Amino acid sequence: TQLLEQSPQFLSIQEGENLTVYCNSSSVFSSLQWYRQEPGEGPVLLVTVVTGGEVKKLKRLTFQFGDARKDSSLHITAAQTGDTGLYLCAGAETSGSRLTFGEGTQLTVNP
Amino acid sequence: DAGVTQSPTHLIKTRGQHVTLRCSPISGHKSVSWYQQVLGQGPQFIFQYYEKEERGRGNFPDRFSARQFPNYSSELNVNALLLGDSALYLCASSLNGRAGRTDTQYFGPGTRLTVL
Repeated sequence: TQLLEQSPQFLSIQEGENLTVYCNSSSVFSSLQWYRQEPGEGPVLLVTVVTGGEVKKLKRLTFQFGDARKDSSLHITAAQTGDTGLYLCAGAETSGSRLTFGEGTQLTVNP
Repeated sequence: DAGVTQSPTHLIKTRGQHVTLRCSPISGHKSVSWYQQVLGQGPQFIFQYYEKEERGRGNFPDRFSARQFPNYSSELNVNALLLGDSALYLCASSLNGRAGRTDTQYFGPGTRLTVL
């Protein structure tokens, strides 16, 4: 069974600060997705990374896939209150189709 | 285009009852996956269906079953409900059911099931 560990589990910061969320595994994934989830809603896809070492930017969000495709990070620059939410990483198995999710990072950005 | 739709949005049942949850995928998508998300945790994979065939099953008891219809919509059935089945049940649709490199899973808003 492939497992994904996310850290930190909770993060509370002030508006304007930077932060990084980590997603680690001992297993190799064919790709890794990052989702953001609001309370009572389904996860919304932010990005998919598929190539080892890949870096993708989405405005103030920077996503990186580890060289060995076992880990990933999400960095947010100058956080805003609208960034508040649950951030989930999910890995796709090398030969399957199911997603394995991390436990999530609950981010709170305070004004 | 409409996204993934799920019904009902909320449901309250008592222990021992049966429940049916429904999902309609994005138009053109042929694969549907079901996930259970307990409060404070990440979603856990339950089932995936592609072209009406079960493609994968997670570590859930036989009380959980699902099926996919010719129009690619899907139902998740849970029998003999337990308190621990209380969760947000998420449906995700994808084009061809190969997550990651060639496919992306898009999630619906979920059905919040409460078992009393």
